[in-house]
Amino acid sequence: AQSVTQLGSHVSVSEGALVLLRCNYSSSVPPYLFWYVQYPNQGLQLLLKYTTGATLVKGINGFEAEFKKSETSFHLTKPSAHMSDAAEYFCAVRPNSNSGYALNFGKGTSLLVTP
Amino acid sequence: GAGVSQSPSNKVTEKGKDVELRCDPISGHTALYWYRQSLGQGLEFLIYFQGNSAPDKSGLPSDRFSAERTGGSVSTLTIQRTQQEDSAVYLCASSWAGTGEETQYFGPGTRLLVL
Repeated sequence: AQSVTQLGSHVSVSEGALVLLRCNYSSSVPPYLFWYVQYPNQGLQLLLKYTTGATLVKGINGFEAEFKKSETSFHLTKPSAHMSDAAEYFCAVRPNSNSGYALNFGKGTSLLVTP
Repeated sequence: GAGVSQSPSNKVTEKGKDVELRCDPISGHTALYWYRQSLGQGLEFLIYFQGNSAPDKSGLPSDRFSAERTGGSVSTLTIQRTQQEDSAVYLCASSWAGTGEETQYFGPGTRLLVL
């Protein structure tokens, strides 16, 4: 079964600083990859996803992620953090096949943005 | 348009009681998923419905959990004889056709507390 590892359950950055949230997956075949954000007491909202094609994916709110097959990684970045970015971020994978339809989530990373 | 809705938003019940959680997917979405989010286990897949096909129940943690989807739209997740370890946020998601690269759209969740 595919697994997802998010390094760092808590990340703190200053407002205006670079945001880097790490995600690694284990799979012999590159899966579909997703980043979701969850604000307090809300559901999950898709930030971006990689399916095929360009490995640098741009999402909402200025976030982007790069799929690196050689490193089995899909790290999420944003050049300049904003206070409103404080939330829980989840990396998820889904098999690139016709079997298995559920998302397999990482444990999540809580992003704190300080003034 | 309207997103995925879930009801109730919060549910407090006593151990041993049965509970029903409801999910209204986005209109036209044929695929529907239930996940559970808890502090100890993170986000876990429970069950998946796709059109008129038999549901994928592989994520249900015990036979106390069941779900149905009537008319290919609304879904109800039922937990019988609730236990304290069932306390969690239950998230519903839907997507157009259940293919791997599709975005799953999440509802706000039902927060269940079993006393």
